[in-house]
Amino acid sequence: EIVLTQSPGILSLSPGERATLSCRTSQSVTSNQLAWYQQRPGQAPRLLVHGASTRATGIPDRFSGSGSGTDFRLTISRLEPEDFAVYYCQHYGGSALLTFGGGAKVEIK
Amino acid sequence: QLQLQESGPGLVKPSETLSLTCTVSGGSITTFSYYWGWVRQSPGKELEWIGSLYFTGSTYYNPSLKSRVTMSVDKSKNQFSLNLTSVTAADTAFFYCARHRLTDWYFDLWGRGTLVTVSS
Repeated sequence: EIVLTQSPGILSLSPGERATLSCRTSQSVTSNQLAWYQQRPGQAPRLLVHGASTRATGIPDRFSGSGSGTDFRLTISRLEPEDFAVYYCQHYGGSALLTFGGGAKVEIK
Repeated sequence: QLQLQESGPGLVKPSETLSLTCTVSGGSITTFSYYWGWVRQSPGKELEWIGSLYFTGSTYYNPSLKSRVTMSVDKSKNQFSLNLTSVTAADTAFFYCARHRLTDWYFDLWGRGTLVTVSS
């Protein structure tokens, strides 16, 4: 089982600033099978990025995913008020096993 | 557009079976392109995949829950279901039904979720 470690656990930033979230996997991820989700309070998760860097339909271009191997990042270029939320990475590789990271909260400074 | 809606009891007693249903509206559950899954989230905690189901009845379960989980599909009602047996307080969580592709297992559509509390 691949373990996903997200950092930092909490990121305190102001609107307009850049946010960079990290997701490190315990084993190298093949075919960049990594996704990112946003979860606002009281809501279900929403897919942001899949394939490590492909934005999902309707996701603003201020969200970008990057990385390969064991190190992946989600960058929000300029934080909007609605972006303050919790973000999760997810691995969906082989062995029919899905695993999520522990989450990273982006909070207003 | 396609929507998912969870339903079921909000309160289950310890040692009993938790049963939830997800209704698919605006589209067919028998699509060839997608699996249907369940994800749970204990309050304030991270997401945990429970299992995934294809409309043919083929299933994949999280090994950590496999001994207690059964998923099934009712094509006539466009629904799929989750049974989790022998629940304890540790099973208290928000339960989400969601959809992922046949080949790439990221969840592109989610239900709004339902809270199930395990308590006597």
